[in-house]
Amino acid sequence: GENVEQHPSTLSVQEGDSAVIKCTYSDSASNYFPWYKQELGKRPQLIIDIRSNVGEKKDQRIAVTLNKTAKHFSLHITETQPEDSAVYFCAASQENRDDKIIFGKGTRLHILP
Amino acid sequence: GAGVSQSPRYKVAKRGQDVALRCDPISGHVSLFWYQQALGQGPEFLTYFQNEAQLDKSGLPSDRFFAERPEGSVSTLKIQRTQQEDSAVYLCASSSSPSSGANVLTFGAGSRLTVL
Repeated sequence: GENVEQHPSTLSVQEGDSAVIKCTYSDSASNYFPWYKQELGKRPQLIIDIRSNVGEKKDQRIAVTLNKTAKHFSLHITETQPEDSAVYFCAASQENRDDKIIFGKGTRLHILP
Repeated sequence: GAGVSQSPRYKVAKRGQDVALRCDPISGHVSLFWYQQALGQGPEFLTYFQNEAQLDKSGLPSDRFFAERPEGSVSTLKIQRTQQEDSAVYLCASSSSPSSGANVLTFGAGSRLTVL
């Protein structure tokens, strides 16, 4: 089955700097890669996703890149702000195949003032 | 409803007790997932329904865990003879039909189970 590895587990960046979180997956058939943000005590919420037919997707300060050959994908947050502090989870699944979404263990992002 | 509703939000059980956790997905969402999230960890897959059919239960940690969705809407996760290692937040999520190519999960707020 699919296995998703995520690193780093904790990341501290100065406000205004960029943050990068990296994930790898094991199943080459996976074709859908969402990222979820979970604030303390709250539910995970989708912030961006990418499908295997594209290599990069951007939404304002957030971008995700995908390297299918290497089976890794990354989340990039630019111009970080205090509200970006949260735990971020990457995930992988086989869309359109009734397949479960497998999550990484998460990255706790701290934005330092 | 407007979102995924879970109840109870908090449950304290003595070891050995049975518990039942309820999930009310977004109206019309075909797919329903249960995840277990231990403190400081990512959501771990438990089981998945498409309508009333349980398509995958490979993540259920033992035969003490049972889930059902008899009418293809509300789902219940039951844990029998609870153990301390069952303490976690149990997250329910729903998504629209996978045939539409939209495997986007909307999570509920979770049920936090503490087993003493």
